[in-house]
Amino acid sequence: AQTVTQSQPEMSVQEAETVTLSCTYDTSENNYYLFWYKQPPSRQMILVIRQEAYKQQNATENRFSVNFQKAAKSFSLKISDSQLGDTAMYFCAFMKRSGGADGLTFGKGTHLIIQP
Amino acid sequence: SAVISQKPSRDICQRGTSLTIQCQVDSQVTMMFWYRQQPGQSLTLIATANQGSEATYESGFVIDKFPISRPNLTFSTLTVSNMSPEDSSIYLCSVAPTRAEAFFGQGTRLTVV
Repeated sequence: AQTVTQSQPEMSVQEAETVTLSCTYDTSENNYYLFWYKQPPSRQMILVIRQEAYKQQNATENRFSVNFQKAAKSFSLKISDSQLGDTAMYFCAFMKRSGGADGLTFGKGTHLIIQP
Repeated sequence: SAVISQKPSRDICQRGTSLTIQCQVDSQVTMMFWYRQQPGQSLTLIATANQGSEATYESGFVIDKFPISRPNLTFSTLTVSNMSPEDSSIYLCSVAPTRAEAFFGQGTRLTVV
């Protein structure tokens, strides 16, 4: 079984600052995906960024980037030039790349607040 | 991609009753996932629904409490049975056609009084 740990229940930064959210995971799998999902008050789960475990290059999507350290089982999310609309719950999640009926394993989440 | 329509979006129910949540996907998918998100908590997988076979339940969730139907490749229902206030949560359905991305319905906010 997989576990995902997010040790920061809440973070608050000023608009335009850079913020890093931490995530560690544990698995015996070698082939998997890691995700950061955003959940605003609307409850809709929105994919922020995805990392494939077999790719060494860190994923980037505009202002969002990750620091993926496979050996350390670490997967942090960096948000640059933070905006008020980034305020939301952020969940780190794990999914096996292949195999049986497994869904996503989520961390407990980090509530990110962007202050004006 | 996949677009998921989930309903109802919210409901307030009396304890001891049951609620059925429906999830419709705009494309055929092999597996559909049902999650529970308790107040202020993360998402926990309840079960995986495959068309034509019984759902696979995660530890701590049982079929008598959360029966699931999967009549075809685009539709599934989750029933929350004999509800108690502890069942008050957001319930979400999800699909992951390629595993490279999971898509979610907008969730059902259930309050049991």
